[in-house]
Amino acid sequence: AQSVTQPDIHITVSEGASLELRCNYSYGATPYLFWYVQSPGQGLQLLLKYFSGDTLVQGIKGFEAEFKRSQSSFNLRKPSVHWSDAAEYFCAVRPESSYKLIFGSGTRLLVRP
Amino acid sequence: DTGVSQDPRHKITKRGQNVTFRCDPISEHNRLYWYRQTLGQGPEFLTYFQNEAQLEKSRLLSDRFSAERPKGSFSTLEIQRTEQGDSAMYLCASSSGTSGYTGELFFGEGSRLTVL
Repeated sequence: AQSVTQPDIHITVSEGASLELRCNYSYGATPYLFWYVQSPGQGLQLLLKYFSGDTLVQGIKGFEAEFKRSQSSFNLRKPSVHWSDAAEYFCAVRPESSYKLIFGSGTRLLVRP
Repeated sequence: DTGVSQDPRHKITKRGQNVTFRCDPISEHNRLYWYRQTLGQGPEFLTYFQNEAQLEKSRLLSDRFSAERPKGSFSTLEIQRTEQGDSAMYLCASSSGTSGYTGELFFGEGSRLTVL
């Protein structure tokens, strides 16, 4: 069965520092991978997605993610974090045979002034 | 606002009562999804509709849960005989044919259920 693991429950970074959030997936075929962000009082919003092709994908708000098949990972990165990036981040995978998304348990990002 | 709207935003009920949540998707979206999210967890898939047809249901969706989408527009999620374990945020999302394929679901802000 497909699954997504986000090993970090919380991450704290200083404003202006770089960020990397980890995501590992379990899926037999080439996965469709996503990162969503959930800010307080707001619905989840898609940051970026990977289907195929270039393994480095760009998203909104200056985020990027790199698909590494050998490591079954799809880590999210940002070179310089802003205080407004404080939120919960979810990695997700979509099975080929379905339109549903399978989410990881999330990583809460705290930004230190 | 033309996003996904959910009602009520917060519901407090006593164990054993029935509750119903409503979701109004983005008007041109033909797919509608229900997820459940508990504290410290990611959203768990419950069910989804394409137009009025319920195409997939999770094993999480026990007999006490039922979802409908009459006429392929708004959807309702009913929980009968609520239990304390049903306390969670219930999320609704919608997508078009294209955005659903690419995984871009548009989420509402959720309906929080507290069962006392």
